[in-house]
Amino acid sequence: EVQLVESGGGLVLPGGSLRLSCAASGFTFSSYWMHWVRQAPGKGLVWVSRSNSDGSSTRYADSVKGRFTISRDNAKSAPYLQMNSLRVEDTAVYYCVRFYGTRTYSYMDVWGKGTTVTVSS
Amino acid sequence: DIQMTQSPSSLSASVGDRVTITCRASQSINSYLNWYQQKAGEAPKLLIFAASTLQSGVPSRFSGSRSGTDFNLTISSLQPEDFATYHCQQSHSPPWTFGQGTKVEIK
Repeated sequence: EVQLVESGGGLVLPGGSLRLSCAASGFTFSSYWMHWVRQAPGKGLVWVSRSNSDGSSTRYADSVKGRFTISRDNAKSAPYLQMNSLRVEDTAVYYCVRFYGTRTYSYMDVWGKGTTVTVSS
Repeated sequence: DIQMTQSPSSLSASVGDRVTITCRASQSINSYLNWYQQKAGEAPKLLIFAASTLQSGVPSRFSGSRSGTDFNLTISSLQPEDFATYHCQQSHSPPWTFGQGTKVEIK
């Protein structure tokens, strides 16, 4: 079964750090780009970051650039999101997402259940 | 950045109704438009990709269409399990932006 399971969320003070992990299984992890998408309470989905299949290319939303770092360990089938200098507005459920793309279409086809990050004093 | 404007933000409908949700892109995205369904407390699920292609396992009552930069998601006959929030998303270019979501509620 294709599966993504996030971990590492929790309550953190403003300015603090957290590292999210995601365990991928049931597919050839090293062949896929991976993304992180977040959803603040009662709000819509917001794309956060992506890594290409070997981790050599990454991109970030402007709101997290310079504070968050995406990485991956293909040997462990795991993407990560290191979050530093956390702000109250980073409070959200964070989803680990598999991305599939061709020359004519691309989409996010497998989502984890999410891990909750709460930034509060 | 490409802005995705989704409407309506919510709607009330009855079982058996035909429902249409619209998403408008701020610039051309060709057919790089995906639709996701999210039930309360759950992760999003891919319904339609490339504007009109049904993901495997998705019931045929769901359909997608495109007219220029306007995209529609239609549910031909609403079923009890379809009450959820629907999100559009462009995958034409980063940042990969989503619409604000449409909550479909029971009338």
